[in-house]
Amino acid sequence: GENVEQHPSTLSVQEGDSAVIKCTYSDSASNYFPWYKQELGKGPQLIIDIRSNVGEKKDQRIAVTLNKTAKHFSLHITETQPEDSAVYFCAASKSGGYQKVTFGIGTKLQVIP
Amino acid sequence: ETGVTQTPRHLVMGMTNKKSLKCEQHLGHNAMYWYKQSAKKPLELMFVYNFKEQTENNSVPSRFSPECPNSSHLFLHLHTLQPEDSALYLCASSQDGLAGGNIQYFGAGTRLSVL
Repeated sequence: GENVEQHPSTLSVQEGDSAVIKCTYSDSASNYFPWYKQELGKGPQLIIDIRSNVGEKKDQRIAVTLNKTAKHFSLHITETQPEDSAVYFCAASKSGGYQKVTFGIGTKLQVIP
Repeated sequence: ETGVTQTPRHLVMGMTNKKSLKCEQHLGHNAMYWYKQSAKKPLELMFVYNFKEQTENNSVPSRFSPECPNSSHLFLHLHTLQPEDSALYLCASSQDGLAGGNIQYFGAGTRLSVL
């Protein structure tokens, strides 16, 4: 089955700096890679996703890159703000409404004001 | 609000109790999921229901019993749990079909403590 590894497990950055979280996956058939943000007391919420036919996707201060050959993908947050502090999960799956999604272990991001 | 509501938010139960977790989604989705979230571990998929039919049981002990009476409601019945079952239990839903990709919408979870 799919295996997703994520690092670092914790990350502290100064407000305004950039943060990068990296993930690798094992199943070359995976073609959908979402990123979730989980704030304290809440469930994970999708913040950005990328499909295998795209190498990069941006949404304001958030971007995700995908390298299919190397089977790794990364989340980049620029100009970090205190409200970006949360746990971030990467995930991988095949397309399809109820395909199994395999999650990484999570990265706890702390943005220091 | 994500459109997925879980109750109760917190639950404390003894090892001999029987309790149920409830999940309701208002998104018109056809697939629903139960996950277990423990500290320092990836999210663990427990069960998947698609159009009310169970499509995956991820080797979950029988002390966890899911029920999906319709596409909007999902239950997790608990009995004779162990202390190691203490965790955050998350419910999620997604739209069936290729067009929906596999975007999952999560509820806020039920924090379960087994004494």
